Amino acid sequence: QSVLTQPPSVSGAPGQRVTISCTGSSSNIGAGYDVHWYQHLPGTAPKVLIYGNINRPSGVPDRFSGSKSGTSASLAITGLQAEDEADYYCQSYDYRLDGSQVFGGGTKLTVL
Amino acid sequence: QVLLLQSGPEVKKPGASVKVSCKASGYTFTSDDINWVRQATGQGLEWMGWMNPKSGNTGYAQNFKGRVTMTRNTSITTAYMELTNLRSQDTAVYYCARGRPYGRGGRWFDPWGQGTLVTVFS
Repeated sequence: QSVLTQPPSVSGAPGQRVTISCTGSSSNIGAGYDVHWYQHLPGTAPKVLIYGNINRPSGVPDRFSGSKSGTSASLAITGLQAEDEADYYCQSYDYRLDGSQVFGGGTKLTVL
Repeated sequence: QVLLLQSGPEVKKPGASVKVSCKASGYTFTSDDINWVRQATGQGLEWMGWMNPKSGNTGYAQNFKGRVTMTRNTSITTAYMELTNLRSQDTAVYYCARGRPYGRGGRWFDPWGQGTLVTVFS
């Protein structure tokens, strides 16, 4: 069981908008710790999409956006493209786990 | 260009140990933590711990305490992760990642190494 909860899968047609949720608790997201998002394509290294809840590193398209409220965070992808089909993970910090970084269980995005 | 280059795949027997290396280039090696994350087949990402290359200080996830050791050699800008007493459930791709500080205690990981497949097989 992951400390952060994500839906196992989401899907959308090309051009559509999808969101991926990441639900935590009072010891991580709810305590004000920041959330970061990664895209993971099979056989490659994970790549950061969003850091600090809302910030996009240079080179990440503005189709990707992040938000955070209360004990949850979300990743939104607009203008869905076939190349977006991948696994997505949220990550944060949990003070009750000896200062551990924690990941969500991952969400498989299928572009229909 | 900031790069982390990891060592090649390993095959080990149960009970053995494995040591994976991660060579950093393109930035000041001692400026940020190196973190280790693994992904078992069909599973999600699992954070294993961090190592501060400047001080050598470490912090390990509870699941790995007692079995993992993270070290470094600053003269060759290389970090190492050693996992002992391997079992079949340790078969996974192991990644190193530069931990960029953010907020209170937080880190975001960028870049990541290319991954090292460790297979535990009797």
